[in-house]
Amino acid sequence: GENVEQHPSTLSVQEGDSAVIKCTYSDSASNYFPWYKQELGKRPQLIIDIRSNVGEKKDQRIAVTLNKTAKHFSLHITETQPEDSAVYFCAASKGYSSASKIIFGSGTRLSIRP
Amino acid sequence: GAGVSQSPSNKVTEKGKDVELRCDPISGHTALYWYRQSLGQGLEFLIYFQGNSAPDKSGLPSDRFSAERTGGSVSTLTIQRTQQEDSAVYLCASSSRLEGSQETQYFGPGTRLLVL
Repeated sequence: GENVEQHPSTLSVQEGDSAVIKCTYSDSASNYFPWYKQELGKRPQLIIDIRSNVGEKKDQRIAVTLNKTAKHFSLHITETQPEDSAVYFCAASKGYSSASKIIFGSGTRLSIRP
Repeated sequence: GAGVSQSPSNKVTEKGKDVELRCDPISGHTALYWYRQSLGQGLEFLIYFQGNSAPDKSGLPSDRFSAERTGGSVSTLTIQRTQQEDSAVYLCASSSRLEGSQETQYFGPGTRLLVL
């Protein structure tokens, strides 16, 4: 079955710098890759997603890139701010009507240093 | 519209007792997931329901754990003979999984379980 690896497990960056979190997946049939942000004590919430027919997607300070050949995708946060401190989870799944479940990475704890 | 709801929000129980956790998914969502999250840890997959298909129970940690989804909507996660290591936040999520829809998972607020 699908396996999603996420690195690093913890990341500390200076406020204003960029942060990059990387994930790899094993099943080449996966075609949907969401990223979730979980603030302390709160539920995970979708922040951005990408589908396999697109190589990059941006939403203000957040961008996600996908390399289907290498089976890896990354989250990029630019001009980091204190409110970006949270745990970030990547995930992969195989499609709308598939009965297969979505698989999450193990999470990255991002800390923004003032 | 209403999001995913879970009840109770907190549950304290004694070791050996049974507990039931409830999840009300977003109306019309065909897929429902249960996860367990220990303090500071990731999302541990427990079970997945998709429409009328047989549930994927591959994540249930022991036979003390079971789940039902009645009428394709509300789901109940049952933990029998609770142990202290069952203490965690139990999260439920639902998604549409229909052709042409965005397959976003929407999480409930979780049930914080403490086994004494």
